[in-house]
Amino acid sequence: DTGVSQDPRHKITKRGQNVTFRCDPISEHNRLYWYRQTLGQGPEFLTYFQNEAQLEKSRLLSDRFSAERPKGSFSTLEIQRTEQGDSAMYLCASSLAAGDPYEQYFGPGTRLTVT
Amino acid sequence: QKEVEQNSGPLSVPEGAIASLNCTYSDRGSQSFFWYRQYSGKSPELIMFIYSNGDKEDGRFTAQLNKASQYVSLLIRDSQPSDSATYLCAVKLVGSNYQLIWGAGTKLIIKP
Repeated sequence: DTGVSQDPRHKITKRGQNVTFRCDPISEHNRLYWYRQTLGQGPEFLTYFQNEAQLEKSRLLSDRFSAERPKGSFSTLEIQRTEQGDSAMYLCASSLAAGDPYEQYFGPGTRLTVT
Repeated sequence: QKEVEQNSGPLSVPEGAIASLNCTYSDRGSQSFFWYRQYSGKSPELIMFIYSNGDKEDGRFTAQLNKASQYVSLLIRDSQPSDSATYLCAVKLVGSNYQLIWGAGTKLIIKP
């Protein structure tokens, strides 16, 4: 399978714990995006990488959220001191820098439940 | 605040009929528009994109764009039960070369 992969697919954690999610983009894609989606809403942009550089981070994102893409391949999203409001589906997408950058391809998502 | 609006539905359409999904956007300068399909519990899947006024056809799907009226629509011909999903409209943020503004989606139900 050469699509975007995410791990884990599901995560249940207690409030106050830290969690980390991983995304592996399509191999030739150098742009990577993280989104959050709650039930009945469209995806909400969190952050964006081109290669290893984090070029944009949503102003809505608290300092508890951090993302890395150390070698320009896979990326991790960490949430520190989780809150119940963090419960959502966390989606990763990737795209090419050359050609149309708006054709973003999504991974299956990581569903986070904070109890 | 830039907005993308969609009727949440559900929109119920008989099998074999045409399903019509609509989306309006607030930023008159918007240039790029996308339709994604999302099955329950799954991630969004790109169906079509459109940049120019008029119609763009791909198989059973037709995207229509009217920049003067600031709306974009998606028509699905010969609707099948497998088309039942939530359809998300996304618009590229003016001034950005990557950021999309998303609608909340319209739930489509195709009745056999």
